[in-house]
Amino acid sequence: AQKITQTQPGMFVQEKEAVTLDCTYDTSDPSYGLFWYKQPSSGEMIFLIYQGSYDQQNATEGRYSLNFQKARKSANLVISASQLGDSAMYFCAMRGWNSGNTPLVFGKGTRLSVIA
Amino acid sequence: GAVVSQHPSRVICKSGTSVKIECRSLDFQATTMFWYRQFPKQSLMLMATSNEGSKATYEQGVEKDKFLINHASLTLSTLTVTSAHPEDSSFYICSARAQGATEAFFGQGTRLTVV
Repeated sequence: AQKITQTQPGMFVQEKEAVTLDCTYDTSDPSYGLFWYKQPSSGEMIFLIYQGSYDQQNATEGRYSLNFQKARKSANLVISASQLGDSAMYFCAMRGWNSGNTPLVFGKGTRLSVIA
Repeated sequence: GAVVSQHPSRVICKSGTSVKIECRSLDFQATTMFWYRQFPKQSLMLMATSNEGSKATYEQGVEKDKFLINHASLTLSTLTVTSAHPEDSSFYICSARAQGATEAFFGQGTRLTVV
């Protein structure tokens, strides 16, 4: 079984600043994947970034980077140069690869508000 | 990324009626589809997993006779909320994954309001 913990219900960041959204996880699978999704008020789930448990380097996608610390079981999302359009809910999720065709397990989410 | 289309995006129905929500993978074959439910300001909660041609596997606490899931083809899964009640009002969202794929793609979601 997998568990995702996001301890920050809400975060504020000044426009153009960087922000880190925390995510810790727990799993018994030796191989797994970690995902971050953005959910604006419209409700759609927008995929941001993926990190595989055996990837040697931290994943990056444009302004998004994932600070993966395997020993600490953390997969924090870093958003650089925040924009007003980044205001949304952010969900960390994971999936184990050794447990068959499993769904994503989501954390409770963090609401990010970018201030002008 | 791949496209998953979910319809309708919003629906209002009377208590006691049934509502069908469609989830289509437009440019890939979705061997597995997942249905989630999300209450306001909460996370996505998995309702069921469906594999094409098989019966859906429901999560504990989800009534399979109330939330009927059909996954008859590799591009379409439907969720029917039968005899809907106001407490069924929620945001329902599907995701679809191809065989062996890492990522599952999400539909746009359906906001159901039962009055």
